[in-house]
Amino acid sequence: DIRMTQSPSSLSASVGDRVTITCRTSQSIAKYLNWYQQKPGKAPKLLMYDASSLQSGVPSRFSGSGSGTDFTLTISSLQPEDSATYYCQQIYSLPYTFGQGTKLEIK
Amino acid sequence: QVQLVESGGGVVQPGRSLRLSCAASGFTFSDYAIHWVRQAPGKGLEWVAVISYDGSNKNYADSVKGRFTISRDNFQNTLYLQMSSLRPEDTAVYYCARDKRDCSSTSCFRHDAFDIWGQGTKVTVSS
Repeated sequence: DIRMTQSPSSLSASVGDRVTITCRTSQSIAKYLNWYQQKPGKAPKLLMYDASSLQSGVPSRFSGSGSGTDFTLTISSLQPEDSATYYCQQIYSLPYTFGQGTKLEIK
Repeated sequence: QVQLVESGGGVVQPGRSLRLSCAASGFTFSDYAIHWVRQAPGKGLEWVAVISYDGSNKNYADSVKGRFTISRDNFQNTLYLQMSSLRPEDTAVYYCARDKRDCSSTSCFRHDAFDIWGQGTKVTVSS
């Protein structure tokens, strides 16, 4: 199975800050990585697919980059509603593994 | 609107069985592959299983292979997860999720990105 490592596990940032979350995979997965946002008690929400494609309806302050084994999710200007846990997911090969999550809090 | 609604969760003893359902509405269910994903209490997401649009292809996580069976009824617009030989470590919220699909003028393809999720159904395996 492909192992996923997200960093940091948690972070706290202020409204308006630029925030970056990193996901590293145990082997190359080309561009086949998705990002999800999950708020407490809710289902996850797709943010990015194929590493850098923005899902319809997701604010443009979210962006993704990377290929191979190193990927990033960036929030260009943090908003209060962005408080959530973020997960990366590889879909290069089954089983489709997720990162352990990054909990983002607003200061 | 486009929606997935899970049901069938509950408290079950170890070794027993349970069947989860996922009812789809607002889209052509038979066009889409569908996944099950679970989340243990306070933990991250774990992919469980996937079924192709027509039910001909199924894949499972090793942790459930041989115990869980994914199936679908495209006439009833419903997905199922038959869970048997349940273990305490199967305790989780179970989500069904639609596989994102895009179509050009000539063909359609899957992204293997989960664009629509249900609200989840809670399964507790405990004696």
